[in-house]
Amino acid sequence: GAGVSQSPRYKVAKRGQDVALRCDPISGHVSLFWYQQALGQGPEFLTYFQNEAQLDKSGLPSDRFFAERPEGSVSTLKIQRTQQEDSAVYLCAIPQLSPGTGELFFGEGSRLTVL
Amino acid sequence: KQEVTQIPAALSVPEGENLVLNCSFTDSAIYNLQWFRQDPGKGLTSLLLIQSSQREQTSGRLNASLDKSSGRSTLYIAASQPGDSATYLCAVRFSGTYKYIFGTGTRLKVLA
Repeated sequence: GAGVSQSPRYKVAKRGQDVALRCDPISGHVSLFWYQQALGQGPEFLTYFQNEAQLDKSGLPSDRFFAERPEGSVSTLKIQRTQQEDSAVYLCAIPQLSPGTGELFFGEGSRLTVL
Repeated sequence: KQEVTQIPAALSVPEGENLVLNCSFTDSAIYNLQWFRQDPGKGLTSLLLIQSSQREQTSGRLNASLDKSSGRSTLYIAASQPGDSATYLCAVRFSGTYKYIFGTGTRLKVLA
């Protein structure tokens, strides 16, 4: 999606490994969302940032999940000691800046497969 | 609990048919509602956004309506084409929240 770059696009991890997924929005976006999409399901909210502040992390499934956005731009979602149930597509989204309708735009996602 | 439901889960139609996808939500106090398209292995593409004060939005062959009082939105696709085959997702931002809650989607297949 235009305006949001995610990497890696594909990640295969052995169970127990730590992974880091990156979201790089075009500059100027205050708000940033992370979603998790399991196969055949709709995206599920994980966490929300305004600038560097993580205002809502209620969707993070466990304390193995951690997200940060230290400079209010690039965000990283880290998953420690990955489990098979963590296999999913992780999506980053930003709202449209102008005219500020709140329309949400998504990146292409990072597909995580835990073996 | 604020929930979003989409019916049907899957739909297969012959090319040229007009079709309606349904989205229902449990709380009429919404900020806006957004329809997305998702192709296999891809991210979400925004189709239409309806603000709480609006009744419908149109883009090309797509028309989305919103009835807050009944907690429903419909996505109407006119003269369907094989290229319309994808999963269509409805997402609602309820009032007082930042996040969008998604339905599970409708998988559409348009047969040539």
